[in-house]
Amino acid sequence: GIQVEQSPPDLILQEGANSTLRCNFSDSVNNLQWFHQNPWGQLINLFYIPSGTKQNGRLSATTVATERYSLLYISSSQTTDSGVYFCAVEAGGFKTIFGAGTRLFVKA
Amino acid sequence: NAGVTQTPKFRVLKTGQSMTLLCAQDMNHEYMYWYRQDPGMGLRLIHYSVGEGTTAKGEVPDGYNVSRLKKQNFLLGLESAAPSQTSVYFCATRELAGFPHGELFFGEGSRLTVL
Repeated sequence: GIQVEQSPPDLILQEGANSTLRCNFSDSVNNLQWFHQNPWGQLINLFYIPSGTKQNGRLSATTVATERYSLLYISSSQTTDSGVYFCAVEAGGFKTIFGAGTRLFVKA
Repeated sequence: NAGVTQTPKFRVLKTGQSMTLLCAQDMNHEYMYWYRQDPGMGLRLIHYSVGEGTTAKGEVPDGYNVSRLKKQNFLLGLESAAPSQTSVYFCATRELAGFPHGELFFGEGSRLTVL
């Protein structure tokens, strides 16, 4: 089956810093999403981005489907950005598979 | 509009007991999924359904059964609970792939502890 790898596994930032999270996948995908799991365990949709670039406030994402990766950019990080960021892909067969996540901690 | 609702939110079981988790959605989505999340790990797909009356195995189906008798409900059953099934369980739904968005929407999770 498809493999989804996220990097880095852990990231510590000072408030105000920028960061880039990466998601690599091993096969062609039909769609790709980025999620934020907050410290209370809720999974929040960030982007649905099978290809191209999207922006939402301080966050933006780019997926280059032909090269099998996606990037999530966080600018001017805030303490509320802390949590785990997951990439999830659907490669056909209706199954959506998650990466192991990037654990982000933003220090005040 | 409740979206995706999971019941119960918390449950403690003894080894060998059985239980059922209910996922209910009011978005009229075709696809429904059950995932489990273990501490410090990502989500792993247990079972999924592409429509009423259909179910299929995911990555980690052993020890679980599912049913989708009604489009809006997806049930996850544990016939004989084991400590290895201690986890947080998430239900998710999705409209038909790529129409209009194909986004996954999650419930708030159900925390299950098996002693």
